[in-house]
Amino acid sequence: GAVVSQHPSRVICKSGTSVKIECRSLDFQATTMFWYRQFPKQSLMLMATSNEGSKATYEQGVEKDKFLINHASLTLSTLTVTSAHPEDSSFYICSAILWGEQETQYFGPGTRLLVL
Amino acid sequence: AQSVTQLGSHVSVSEGALVLLRCNYSSSVPPYLFWYVQYPNQGLQLLLKYTSAATLVKGINGFEAEFKKSETSFHLTKPSAHMSDAAEYFCAVSIVAGAQKLVFGQGTRLTINP
Repeated sequence: GAVVSQHPSRVICKSGTSVKIECRSLDFQATTMFWYRQFPKQSLMLMATSNEGSKATYEQGVEKDKFLINHASLTLSTLTVTSAHPEDSSFYICSAILWGEQETQYFGPGTRLLVL
Repeated sequence: AQSVTQLGSHVSVSEGALVLLRCNYSSSVPPYLFWYVQYPNQGLQLLLKYTSAATLVKGINGFEAEFKKSETSFHLTKPSAHMSDAAEYFCAVSIVAGAQKLVFGQGTRLTINP
């Protein structure tokens, strides 16, 4: 149980285009999902907290207009990187909380974004 | 505010030797503590967690960790290293009844020598 998937696993795009990354909880409902960014050889940095049916809460320094988050259902959250630039290239990882196990985050496999 | 310090960005041990990865935390309220493992180009997998029950926590793959409040530590150990244990390990803290936000340490890369 508690499996989280992400799609795509890897994406290459041209500068100026937008990219959508999906995060799904496969066998449970997740009222809360998180989006992280990880640079090479570094730790995870929380970008935003996504709650089903409401606006995401962004961490300080994260541009909400650039990183659009939608959590339309209890099993799906999406992160859209708008007008991507090379500096947005990174590893994006989502996580979800299992109802009844509120203290534990289960992570997806990550999406590697390369912006040319 | 919570914080986590992992001592040693890189630890190297021989196959069969003891694995010890150090984690110290700072929290003004009772913490939840976690160890996650990350294999190359993959997400994080939960190894074990401390949520105010038993102070010695056993996890997957033979790992365990002990919560020591007096030392504000949550070190990860495994009696005998396997080659498959080579990965990046992250210690993380969140607060009880909080917003479930995790604060991660910088990570420790574990290398296993044959």
